[in-house]
Amino acid sequence: DAKTTQPTSMDCAEGRAANLPCNHSTISGNEYVYWYRQIHSQGPQYIIHGLKNNETNEMASLIITEDRKSSTLILPHATLRDTAVYYCIVRRDPFNDYKLSFGAGTTVTVRA
Amino acid sequence: DAGVIQSPRHEVTEMGQEVTLRCKPISGHNSLFWYRQTMMRGLELLIYFNNNVPIDDSGMPEDRFSAKMPNASFSTLKIQPSEPRDSAVYFCASAVTEAFFGQGTRLTVV
Repeated sequence: DAKTTQPTSMDCAEGRAANLPCNHSTISGNEYVYWYRQIHSQGPQYIIHGLKNNETNEMASLIITEDRKSSTLILPHATLRDTAVYYCIVRRDPFNDYKLSFGAGTTVTVRA
Repeated sequence: DAGVIQSPRHEVTEMGQEVTLRCKPISGHNSLFWYRQTMMRGLELLIYFNNNVPIDDSGMPEDRFSAKMPNASFSTLKIQPSEPRDSAVYFCASAVTEAFFGQGTRLTVV
């Protein structure tokens, strides 16, 4: 699986958009970009995933560059409850690749 | 659905004792995973079941660890004998496509 690179940590202000970058320059054509987060003392939580197109759901938006070498997870209106470690993961489609390889992630702190 | 249910939430045991962690996956999910999380090594996949069959146990650290899935609604992870270095948070997850994780079991071996 392609490796991902994320900043170690970032702060953002409550109510503002949080933009979390992820580099995956070795991603191959059949690999998806997945985002999970882990709030303190809880299990990881699925956020969103995408292949080529930008995706949006009730939690976040995922913007993937045209060359697919990087992506950005956007939390549109960050709240204190969004403070967590965010993991960017590259994997093949879930029907053919069961493995989720978690790296160190980005520790996001939302401040009032 | 109540989500993935793990028990116990916390376990403290003495070195050498047997420890059994339990997991009830989400109904209808055909994949089940056991992960371990430590500060040093992060989240590591221990074993993966598909339709109750172990598919990949390459992450199981050693023979002291064993996992079973006797039916679609129950799985166990057993450590016998336990050692202090097994202290970690153990997560169970189930999936059809996206994985849903339980709240974890915090194991402390003293």
